[in-house]
Amino acid sequence: DGGITQSPKYLFRKEGQNVTLSCEQNLNHDAMYWYRQDPGQGLRLIYYSQIVNDFQKGDIAEGYSVSREKKESFPLTVTSAQKNPTAFYLCASSSPPSGGYTFGSGTRLTVV
Amino acid sequence: AQSVTQPDIHITVSEGASLELRCNYSYGATPYLFWYVQSPGQGLQLLLKYFSGDTLVQGIKGFEAEFKRSQSSFNLRKPSVHWSDAAEYFCAVVVTTDSWGKLQFGAGTQVVVTP
Repeated sequence: DGGITQSPKYLFRKEGQNVTLSCEQNLNHDAMYWYRQDPGQGLRLIYYSQIVNDFQKGDIAEGYSVSREKKESFPLTVTSAQKNPTAFYLCASSSPPSGGYTFGSGTRLTVV
Repeated sequence: AQSVTQPDIHITVSEGASLELRCNYSYGATPYLFWYVQSPGQGLQLLLKYFSGDTLVQGIKGFEAEFKRSQSSFNLRKPSVHWSDAAEYFCAVVVTTDSWGKLQFGAGTQVVVTP
């Protein structure tokens, strides 16, 4: 079945460390997105990519980085510059908007 | 500023009762509209979407939503709630002038179902 796979489901990071969250899709979607979810704030866009080797900052890109070397993959790195990284991270993909958006099951990152 | 508003942070409803969740948006152009549901610790599942045409949209799990342009609203309804409907619900919008559409979300409404 086609879908989006995020790994790991839970991730613990020490302060000052970079961590990378994985997102893989087999839906043949061109666009991929990373959202951050905090209680009471809905989902906020971190980065998005419309095509391979191209990506754009979203509303809260500071302290994050991404790459898009393959159509299927859009990993997110949470750097030590991100001051409050503890959150639930969701990856999504879409064809043009009329095709809808598919979400992964998320990664919960906790700084310890 | 463009925004999506879900006025109700938390709703409690009895099992078998009707449910209505409100969503208002502020965009100049006609947006694409979505409702998603999220169970604790899970991703988002699409309930329904509106792009054009009939303003009453049917979705999965017995949900429907009505687009009212004059009120800039896209409220979600279910005639009879089941205990399994307890979850968080998000309204989301894509502005159609943005061909690759960034999905913008409301803050969510938490639904609690009581016996």
